[in-house]
Amino acid sequence: ETGVTQTPRHLVMGMTNKKSLKCEQHLGHNAMYWYKQSAKKPLELMFVYNFKEQTENNSVPSRFSPECPNSSHLFLHLHTLQPEDSALYLCASSQDGPGTSGRPEQYFGPGTRLTVT
Amino acid sequence: KQEVTQIPAALSVPEGENLVLNCSFTDSAIYNLQWFRQDPGKGLTSLLLIQSSQREQTSGRLNASLDKSSGRSTLYIAASQPGDSATYLCHTTSGTYKYIFGTGTRLKVLA
Repeated sequence: ETGVTQTPRHLVMGMTNKKSLKCEQHLGHNAMYWYKQSAKKPLELMFVYNFKEQTENNSVPSRFSPECPNSSHLFLHLHTLQPEDSALYLCASSQDGPGTSGRPEQYFGPGTRLTVT
Repeated sequence: KQEVTQIPAALSVPEGENLVLNCSFTDSAIYNLQWFRQDPGKGLTSLLLIQSSQREQTSGRLNASLDKSSGRSTLYIAASQPGDSATYLCHTTSGTYKYIFGTGTRLKVLA
């Protein structure tokens, strides 16, 4: 166990549904991340939060909406998704963000396998 | 744009062999480089992180090196075991391109 949990582990949703993915870290970290892993493509960064503030939005469509209510929890709200959004969504956390002399090592959760029908 | 390439894409070796996985990156202005393993359908497990000021890191049978000037990192696995079978990913962090993952090497160690 890495100290990062994600729920649900599997999700099937229609294109008109609204659902949310949840991530929780028990490591006392300050930065949290959402990544997308599609088949045959490298992992792609979606969002970064540092001290609950969004510092990165990697040109992600607005049908994905992140929320970080506190430094331990991160949500990804999903709305009117497309079939091509089917992927493994991974959450990660790190003690510090990049470019610091601190601890930027990222720890990942097990992921949520999303299927959009 | 930062591109991170891993060669080979797939590798199959008999148990007990020492092996080297390669990671190349185009922008050498990185803060750090991290190696992960990913088991099928699972999340990522951190193996080693090398800060830009470091040349190598070691953990058990694993040794990772970093040569920023040539844009390369290697992950050395000694005395490979079937349990080492997984996809290995390298990941760079930089100010401009932030967080970029490599294409991955799928390793199979045969018993």
